[in-house]
Amino acid sequence: GAVVSQHPSRVICKSGTSVKIECRSLDFQATTMFWYRQFPKQSLMLMATSNEGSKATYEQGVEKDKFLINHASLTLSTLTVTSAHPEDSSFYICSARDNGLAGKDEQYFGPGTRLTVT
Amino acid sequence: AQSVTQLGSHVSVSEGALVLLRCNYSSSVPPYLFWYVQYPNQGLQLLLKYTSAATLVKGINGFEAEFKKSETSFHLTKPSAHMSDAAEYFCAVSHTNTGNQFYFGTGTSLTVIP
Repeated sequence: GAVVSQHPSRVICKSGTSVKIECRSLDFQATTMFWYRQFPKQSLMLMATSNEGSKATYEQGVEKDKFLINHASLTLSTLTVTSAHPEDSSFYICSARDNGLAGKDEQYFGPGTRLTVT
Repeated sequence: AQSVTQLGSHVSVSEGALVLLRCNYSSSVPPYLFWYVQYPNQGLQLLLKYTSAATLVKGINGFEAEFKKSETSFHLTKPSAHMSDAAEYFCAVSHTNTGNQFYFGTGTSLTVIP
Protein backbone atom coordinates (compact mmCIF):
# COMPACT_ATOMS: atom_id res chain seq x y z
CA GLY A 1 0.00 0.00 0.00
CA ALA A 2 0.81 3.70 0.11
CA VAL A 3 1.98 4.02 -3.47
CA VAL A 4 2.36 7.29 -5.30
CA SER A 5 2.75 7.23 -9.05
CA GLN A 6 3.88 9.90 -11.48
CA HIS A 7 3.25 10.09 -15.17
CA PRO A 8 5.15 10.40 -17.35
CA SER A 9 8.39 9.14 -15.88
CA ARG A 10 10.36 10.88 -18.58
CA VAL A 11 9.40 13.57 -21.07
CA ILE A 12 11.22 15.58 -23.69
CA CYS A 13 9.57 18.68 -25.09
CA LYS A 14 10.45 21.61 -27.29
CA SER A 15 11.08 25.05 -25.89
CA GLY A 16 7.88 27.08 -25.70
CA THR A 17 5.52 24.16 -25.28
CA SER A 18 3.68 23.11 -22.11
CA VAL A 19 4.04 19.84 -20.26
CA LYS A 20 1.69 18.28 -17.73
CA ILE A 21 2.92 15.93 -15.02
CA GLU A 22 0.47 13.83 -13.03
CA CYS A 23 0.85 12.68 -9.45
CA ARG A 24 -1.55 10.04 -8.17
CA SER A 25 -2.02 8.38 -4.81
CA LEU A 26 -3.02 4.87 -5.80
CA ASP A 27 -4.42 3.41 -2.61
CA PHE A 28 -5.09 6.30 -0.29
CA GLN A 29 -6.62 9.74 -0.31
CA ALA A 30 -4.43 12.77 -0.15
CA THR A 31 -5.80 16.15 0.78
CA THR A 32 -2.32 17.56 0.44
CA MET A 33 0.36 16.86 -2.11
CA PHE A 34 3.74 18.50 -2.52
CA TRP A 35 5.80 19.25 -5.61
CA TYR A 36 9.58 19.30 -5.48
CA ARG A 37 12.24 20.08 -8.00
CA GLN A 38 15.65 18.50 -7.98
CA PHE A 39 18.60 19.68 -10.05
CA PRO A 40 21.41 17.24 -10.87
CA LYS A 41 23.51 16.37 -7.85
CA GLN A 42 21.43 18.66 -5.66
CA SER A 43 18.78 18.37 -3.02
CA LEU A 44 15.03 18.60 -3.36
CA MET A 45 13.56 22.05 -3.28
CA LEU A 46 9.91 22.42 -2.34
CA MET A 47 8.07 24.28 -5.08
CA ALA A 48 4.50 24.27 -3.84
CA THR A 49 1.93 22.66 -1.62
CA SER A 50 -1.10 21.40 -3.48
CA ASN A 51 -4.41 21.37 -1.59
CA GLU A 52 -7.45 19.50 -2.87
CA GLY A 53 -10.17 21.88 -3.88
CA SER A 54 -8.21 25.05 -3.29
CA LYS A 55 -5.33 27.02 -4.68
CA ALA A 56 -1.80 25.80 -4.30
CA THR A 57 0.62 27.52 -1.99
CA TYR A 58 3.85 28.40 -3.75
CA GLU A 59 7.25 28.80 -2.19
CA GLN A 60 9.04 32.08 -2.52
CA GLY A 61 10.64 32.49 -5.91
CA VAL A 62 8.45 29.95 -7.71
CA GLU A 63 6.40 31.47 -10.52
CA LYS A 64 2.81 30.39 -10.07
CA ASP A 65 1.89 31.35 -13.62
CA LYS A 66 4.64 29.17 -14.99
CA PHE A 67 4.11 26.15 -12.77
CA LEU A 68 0.37 25.58 -12.71
CA ILE A 69 -0.86 23.18 -10.07
CA ASN A 70 -4.30 21.63 -10.00
CA HIS A 71 -5.52 19.28 -7.27
CA ALA A 72 -8.97 18.39 -8.53
CA SER A 73 -9.48 15.18 -6.58
CA LEU A 74 -8.22 13.46 -3.47
CA THR A 75 -5.99 11.19 -5.54
CA LEU A 76 -4.66 13.42 -8.30
CA SER A 77 -2.54 16.53 -8.51
CA THR A 78 -1.09 17.87 -11.73
CA LEU A 79 1.83 20.19 -12.40
CA THR A 80 1.87 21.96 -15.74
CA VAL A 81 5.06 23.63 -16.83
CA THR A 82 3.93 26.34 -19.21
CA SER A 83 6.06 27.76 -22.00
CA ALA A 84 8.91 25.52 -21.00
CA HIS A 85 12.49 26.63 -21.44
CA PRO A 86 15.73 24.63 -21.23
CA GLU A 87 16.34 25.96 -17.73
CA ASP A 88 13.15 24.21 -16.62
CA SER A 89 14.80 20.87 -17.34
CA SER A 90 14.91 19.06 -14.05
CA PHE A 91 13.68 16.11 -12.03
CA TYR A 92 10.24 16.80 -10.58
CA ILE A 93 9.09 14.76 -7.61
CA CYS A 94 5.72 14.79 -5.93
CA SER A 95 4.74 13.52 -2.53
CA ALA A 96 1.33 12.84 -1.05
CA ARG A 97 0.20 12.98 2.51
CA ASP A 98 -2.00 10.10 3.62
CA ASN A 99 -4.57 11.67 5.88
CA GLY A 100 -6.83 8.66 5.96
CA LEU A 101 -5.22 6.88 8.90
CA ALA A 102 -6.07 8.38 12.25
CA GLY A 103 -2.96 9.48 14.06
CA LYS A 104 -0.70 8.17 11.39
CA ASP A 105 -0.33 10.82 8.79
CA GLU A 106 2.41 9.71 6.48
CA GLN A 107 3.92 11.29 3.43
CA TYR A 108 4.94 9.20 0.44
CA PHE A 109 7.07 10.17 -2.52
CA GLY A 110 6.52 9.45 -6.17
CA PRO A 111 9.25 8.06 -8.44
CA GLY A 112 9.84 11.38 -10.15
CA THR A 113 9.53 12.77 -13.66
CA ARG A 114 12.58 13.71 -15.70
CA LEU A 115 11.78 16.75 -17.86
CA THR A 116 14.13 17.72 -20.65
CA VAL A 117 13.39 20.86 -22.64
CA THR A 118 15.23 21.16 -25.94
CA ALA B 1 13.30 28.21 11.19
CA GLN B 2 14.41 24.72 10.32
CA SER B 3 17.30 23.40 8.33
CA VAL B 4 19.62 20.45 8.04
CA THR B 5 23.27 20.24 7.22
CA GLN B 6 24.82 17.12 5.82
CA LEU B 7 28.56 17.07 6.25
CA GLY B 8 30.32 15.46 3.37
CA SER B 9 28.70 15.46 -0.04
CA HIS B 10 30.59 12.28 -0.93
CA VAL B 11 31.45 9.35 1.30
CA SER B 12 33.31 6.24 0.21
CA VAL B 13 33.55 3.08 2.26
CA SER B 14 34.79 -0.41 1.60
CA GLU B 15 32.32 -3.23 1.39
CA GLY B 16 31.81 -4.57 4.91
CA ALA B 17 32.97 -1.38 6.59
CA LEU B 18 30.96 0.91 8.83
CA VAL B 19 28.78 3.49 7.13
CA LEU B 20 28.43 6.85 8.87
CA LEU B 21 26.53 9.69 7.23
CA ARG B 22 26.29 12.90 9.21
CA CYS B 23 23.30 15.14 9.67
CA ASN B 24 22.93 18.14 11.94
CA TYR B 25 19.69 20.00 12.27
CA SER B 26 18.47 23.38 13.34
CA SER B 27 14.94 23.74 14.59
CA SER B 28 13.10 26.22 16.77
CA VAL B 29 10.61 23.55 17.82
CA PRO B 30 11.05 19.85 18.64
CA PRO B 31 11.92 18.33 15.30
CA TYR B 32 10.89 15.29 13.44
CA LEU B 33 13.81 13.90 11.49
CA PHE B 34 13.95 11.63 8.48
CA TRP B 35 16.50 9.82 6.36
CA TYR B 36 15.67 9.01 2.76
CA VAL B 37 17.60 7.07 0.12
CA GLN B 38 17.46 7.83 -3.58
CA TYR B 39 18.72 5.50 -6.28
CA PRO B 40 19.55 6.95 -9.72
CA ASN B 41 16.52 8.34 -11.55
CA GLN B 42 14.17 7.20 -8.82
CA GLY B 43 12.13 8.89 -6.12
CA LEU B 44 12.81 8.87 -2.41
CA GLN B 45 12.47 5.87 -0.18
CA LEU B 46 12.08 6.36 3.57
CA LEU B 47 14.83 4.65 5.54
CA LEU B 48 13.78 5.71 9.00
CA LYS B 49 12.30 8.55 11.00
CA TYR B 50 12.52 10.03 14.48
CA THR B 51 9.25 11.22 15.96
CA SER B 52 10.12 11.99 19.59
CA ALA B 53 9.88 8.41 20.82
CA ALA B 54 13.03 6.31 21.19
CA THR B 55 16.19 8.24 20.37
CA LEU B 56 17.75 5.26 18.61
CA VAL B 57 15.74 4.55 15.51
CA LYS B 58 16.09 1.41 13.44
CA GLY B 59 15.17 1.49 9.81
CA ILE B 60 15.17 -0.70 6.78
CA ASN B 61 18.17 -2.43 5.21
CA GLY B 62 20.08 -2.49 8.49
CA PHE B 63 20.33 1.27 8.89
CA GLU B 64 19.81 3.09 12.15
CA ALA B 65 20.15 6.63 13.43
CA GLU B 66 20.44 8.20 16.84
CA PHE B 67 18.82 11.48 17.80
CA LYS B 68 21.15 13.50 20.02
CA LYS B 69 19.51 16.68 21.17
CA SER B 70 22.65 18.00 22.89
CA GLU B 71 24.54 17.74 19.63
CA THR B 72 21.56 18.56 17.37
CA SER B 73 22.54 15.54 15.33
CA PHE B 74 20.83 12.62 13.64
CA HIS B 75 23.64 10.64 12.05
CA LEU B 76 22.87 7.57 9.96
CA THR B 77 24.87 4.39 10.47
CA LYS B 78 25.10 0.85 9.22
CA PRO B 79 27.58 -1.65 10.65
CA SER B 80 28.53 -3.30 7.39
CA ALA B 81 28.19 -1.73 3.96
CA HIS B 82 26.83 -3.65 1.00
CA MET B 83 27.38 -2.81 -2.64
CA SER B 84 23.63 -2.24 -2.93
CA ASP B 85 23.87 0.62 -0.41
CA ALA B 86 25.51 2.85 -3.00
CA ALA B 87 23.03 5.69 -3.48
CA GLU B 88 22.23 9.27 -2.52
CA TYR B 89 21.08 9.83 1.04
CA PHE B 90 19.04 12.79 2.24
CA CYS B 91 18.38 13.95 5.75
CA ALA B 92 15.23 16.00 6.29
CA VAL B 93 13.60 17.88 9.14
CA SER B 94 10.01 18.77 9.78
CA HIS B 95 8.11 20.01 12.77
CA THR B 96 5.32 17.48 12.44
CA ASN B 97 5.21 13.76 11.95
CA THR B 98 3.38 14.30 8.72
CA GLY B 99 6.22 16.28 7.36
CA ASN B 100 3.89 19.03 6.32
CA GLN B 101 6.92 20.81 5.04
CA PHE B 102 10.21 19.06 4.65
CA TYR B 103 13.53 20.80 4.65
CA PHE B 104 16.09 18.59 2.97
CA GLY B 105 19.81 18.53 3.35
CA THR B 106 22.00 18.74 0.28
CA GLY B 107 22.50 15.00 0.22
CA THR B 108 25.42 12.62 0.62
CA SER B 109 26.47 10.33 -2.17
CA LEU B 110 27.63 6.98 -0.80
CA THR B 111 30.08 4.90 -2.80
CA VAL B 112 30.84 1.35 -1.73
CA ILE B 113 34.19 0.01 -2.86
CA PRO B 114 34.41 -3.73 -3.46
